[in-house]
Amino acid sequence: DGGITQSPKYLFRKEGQNVTLSCEQNLNHDAMYWYRQDPGQGLRLIYYSQIVNDFQKGDIAEGYSVSREKKESFPLTVTSAQKNPTAFYLCASSIGYNTGELFFGEGSRLTVL
Amino acid sequence: GENVEQHPSTLSVQEGDSAVIKCTYSDSASNYFPWYKQELGKGPQLIIDIRSNVGEKKDQRIAVTLNKTAKHFSLHITETQPEDSAVYFCAASGGNTPLVFGKGTRLSVIA
Repeated sequence: DGGITQSPKYLFRKEGQNVTLSCEQNLNHDAMYWYRQDPGQGLRLIYYSQIVNDFQKGDIAEGYSVSREKKESFPLTVTSAQKNPTAFYLCASSIGYNTGELFFGEGSRLTVL
Repeated sequence: GENVEQHPSTLSVQEGDSAVIKCTYSDSASNYFPWYKQELGKGPQLIIDIRSNVGEKKDQRIAVTLNKTAKHFSLHITETQPEDSAVYFCAASGGNTPLVFGKGTRLSVIA
């Protein structure tokens, strides 16, 4: 089945540790996105990539990093510089950048202990 | 940049009644307005969208209206059912800017 796969679904980390969230899509989409979801805050854009080997900061990029070495993969690293990393992270893709529907994965819930 | 305000934050309706969620946006260049539904523990899914050259769009029990002059758009769900219970997000984008989402509305349909 075509879609977006995020892993892991649940992740716990200690303060000071970096953690990488995986996002893979087999939809042949050019654009991919990472959003952070906090209760009552909606979806806030962390990073986005319009095409492979290219990415741009979103509204809340501080403390995060990404790479886009392959069209189907867009991993997100939450670094120790992120002050409040506990959140629900959503990855999405679209056929092209700003061309319409976003397809979301089922999310990864990160808890910092 | 774009700013999207969404109201109400929570909404409870009786099964069979209608539900209306409203959003306003700030950037007059925005021309694409989707609505997403998020069920518990899942990612959001597109349920309907509208572009700026259209004032209204319907798909069975759901409809979206757009007033570009007033910069607001609304989601209407008629004959609500328990499976409509979820969090709904509006969003807006235009030109070369990514989608900006509202903060969401938690809809509860009471049987």
